[in-house]
Parts: sequence; structure tokens; C-alpha cells
Amino acid sequence: EAQVTQNPRYLITVTGKKLTVTCSQNMNHEYMSWYRQDPGLGLRQIYYSMNVEVTDKGDVPEGYKVSRKEKRNFPLILESPSPNQTSLYFCASSLSGTGIYEQYFGPGTRLTVT
Amino acid sequence: GEDVEQSLFLSVREGDSSVINCTYTDSSSTYLYWYKQEPGAGLQLLTYIFSNMDMKQDQRLTVLLNKKDKHLSLRIADTQTGDSAIYFCAERAGGYNKLIFGAGTRLAVHP
Repeated sequence: EAQVTQNPRYLITVTGKKLTVTCSQNMNHEYMSWYRQDPGLGLRQIYYSMNVEVTDKGDVPEGYKVSRKEKRNFPLILESPSPNQTSLYFCASSLSGTGIYEQYFGPGTRLTVT
Repeated sequence: GEDVEQSLFLSVREGDSSVINCTYTDSSSTYLYWYKQEPGAGLQLLTYIFSNMDMKQDQRLTVLLNKKDKHLSLRIADTQTGDSAIYFCAERAGGYNKLIFGAGTRLAVHP
């Protein structure tokens, strides 16, 4: 089944403890991105990747890192999480970053930072 | 800059039509999208419209685009309880597949 998977689905952590949220897609998609969803703000893009080893900042990149060493995986790294990073995170992928292709979303990761 | 706005809540009776409205600011947007988010789930693409169209119909869904006013609407005919969800309007920004989302409209369908 074609899908985008994220792990973990739920995470509660403390301020400053490094964490990684994994994202994997099995559709051989070139383009992947991370969004965060906050009430009243919709989804905002954190980082995106046009292809392996090509990543760039989205609208709200502060406090986050990403890597794209393999085509299928695009982990989101929070080196020193803070309470303002408490949010619902979505990974998405599409066949290409250019042209018009549907974006497929993962099920989301709910992160709470205390 | 790019901005997409939606009303936050809509309540309708089962069987009635629902109309969810959205306004956007980027006149260069080429595609506009409607996504549905059910509780605990990711976003599912419902439909999209190209900016040179003014209407698109897909079964119970009708999308209307007024490019002059930068206004997009989604009409759901014969709304069912299964349509209860959050609906996001989004525009494609720039030359790559980046989406700018509205805050989402929570649709509640009651008997």
C-alpha cells in the first residue's frame, strides 16, 4: 500500500532533550516536506527536500533540522525542544517538487514539550 | 505576501448543503486545493482547481473560483455525518510544490 508513515505518533518530552521524528514513504517520491499544525494557524511548512541531499527552509524552520540521505526517509530533528514546539507535525511527499503532483500526508505526530 | 483565510466553524443539518469559503492573496497562484482532515488522521486531498477555471464539479463536491475577488468556495451537497471534519483551503505558492494553508474550517453535521 502506498503510504507515508511517521513515528512516533505521540510523544511527550521535556525541554532540551533531543528527539527525532521519522518519516518514510514507499512511493519513490522525490519531494518531501514537514509541516506543523497549530490551532487557528493551519499548516505551516518547516523544511522541504526536492531530492536526496537537497533540503531547504520553509516558513518556520527555527529550532528544527532535517536530513535526506535516502530517497524514502526524511527525519525531523529537534536538537533542543522547547514548549513552543508543542504541535501536531505532518510529513508529506509528492512525486516531484515541480509540476503539479498530489501531496500525500502522513498520519501526524503529536508532540508535547514540557 | 501569501495568505489564505477561512472561517473557523460551520454547522449544518444532515441533508443540507454546506458551503465553505476561502480567500487568498497571491494572484499568481496556479492551483487551489481543498483538503479534508478527519479526527486523528492526516490530510486527504478532496479536489483542486486550476486558476483558469471558474468551476469544477466532482460528485457531491462543487468548487467555485472567483479569481477577480480571490475567493474560493467548496460546496458539499446532501451533507452527511461522515462529512464532519476540518476542511483546509490551500494555494500552491512559488515554482515548486509548496502549499500555503488556511487555518481550516471545522464542519459539524447534526441530525
